[in-house]
Amino acid sequence: AQTVTQSQPEMSVQEAETVTLSCTYDTSENNYYLFWYKQPPSRQMILVIRQEAYKQQNATENRFSVNFQKAAKSFSLKISDSQLGDTAMYFCAFTPGWGTSYGKLTFGQGTILTVHP
Amino acid sequence: SQTIHQWPATLVQPVGSPLSLECTVEGTSNPNLYWYRQAAGRGLQLLFYSVGIGQISSEVPQNLSASRPQDRQFILSSKKLLLSDSGFYLCASPSTEQFFGPGTRLTVL
Repeated sequence: AQTVTQSQPEMSVQEAETVTLSCTYDTSENNYYLFWYKQPPSRQMILVIRQEAYKQQNATENRFSVNFQKAAKSFSLKISDSQLGDTAMYFCAFTPGWGTSYGKLTFGQGTILTVHP
Repeated sequence: SQTIHQWPATLVQPVGSPLSLECTVEGTSNPNLYWYRQAAGRGLQLLFYSVGIGQISSEVPQNLSASRPQDRQFILSSKKLLLSDSGFYLCASPSTEQFFGPGTRLTVL
């Protein structure tokens, strides 16, 4: 079984600053994917970034980037130039990458990020 | 494009009433489909998944059931709702870029 741990229940950052959200996971799988999702008050799950375990290069999407440390089973999210619209709950999630198991997501507890003006 | 639709967006139901939530997927064939539930302030929990028509696997024993009557349709049901069934229900398909549908907010009173 997989576990995903987000050790920061809440974080805050000033607008335009950089913030890093932590995530660690545990698995015996070799083929898997990791995700960061943003959940604003509307509660829709918005995909922020996706990382394939077999790719050593860290994924980036505009102001969002990850630091994927496979050996340490760590997957942190860095948000640069924080904006007020980044205020939301952020979830780290894991899924095996094979067959019918792909899509069976295990989520962390979430981190509430508040961006202050 | 591949999109997931969920209906209804919001639902308020009395305890003991039946439930039917619908999920449909566009732009893909034979998708794997999933139902997740999120209780207030918590992460998502996988309830059911389906790899094809009529094929349902349950992850958590509970008061709910799921069905897949058509390739791109996934339904979550209950015969008698409990207070503990309140939550935010999300349908998911790895075949779509966003992965998750917009969700249904269910309140059982």
